[in-house]
Amino acid sequence: EAGVAQSPRYKIIEKRQSVAFWCNPISGHATLYWYQQILGQGPKLLIQFQNNGVVDDSQLPKDRFSAERLKGVDSTLKIQPAKLEDSAVYLCASSLSSITDTQYFGPGTRLTVL
Amino acid sequence: GNSVTQMEGPVTLSEEAFLTINCTYTATGYPSLFWYVQYPGEGLQLLLKATKADDKGSNKGFEATYRKETTSFHLEKGSVQVSDSAVYFCALIGAYGNKLVFGAGTILRVKS
Repeated sequence: EAGVAQSPRYKIIEKRQSVAFWCNPISGHATLYWYQQILGQGPKLLIQFQNNGVVDDSQLPKDRFSAERLKGVDSTLKIQPAKLEDSAVYLCASSLSSITDTQYFGPGTRLTVL
Repeated sequence: GNSVTQMEGPVTLSEEAFLTINCTYTATGYPSLFWYVQYPGEGLQLLLKATKADDKGSNKGFEATYRKETTSFHLEKGSVQVSDSAVYFCALIGAYGNKLVFGAGTILRVKS
């Protein structure tokens, strides 16, 4: 079974530029999550989708971050404009249906903002 | 709100040593508790879990027991190997099941 795919694996940008990350979840998984993991900290949930609807985006900085999950499969996370403090690893995860199902994580995208 | 506190690392052990990584939590009601592991260059993966008090989760020689009275879920392994070198995260989902909350992670280094 293929795992969660993410791209790119690494990205370096200047502050105030924009960037987008892509995630393809495990086939058949209805729930998709984006996490932000700052160096030395645990992952923090940014947004949770159930199919193509948003379940929780309470910790998403909506003035600069946006995410979508068209057709309930792939998802993109965008940052515009980026700030220095956005430097982190962005993790995508998926689960079969509900929050209590096991979450499977992708390898992450490491973002460096200069 | 819900939170998880883990012992700070890095933890450095010799091969075949006994491992304990402490984890305590703050949550209302009875959360579900998890240990995730992140091997170098790989994504986070679930190591074990426990969903009610006194449950013991186990996998790959690792164990953790859900202790409600001490609000703890310490990770243990009797004999570590070099291949266990990784970052270990304790996490919980609250009783009202809204989101997975992680601790800061503990780096484990095992020397041969």
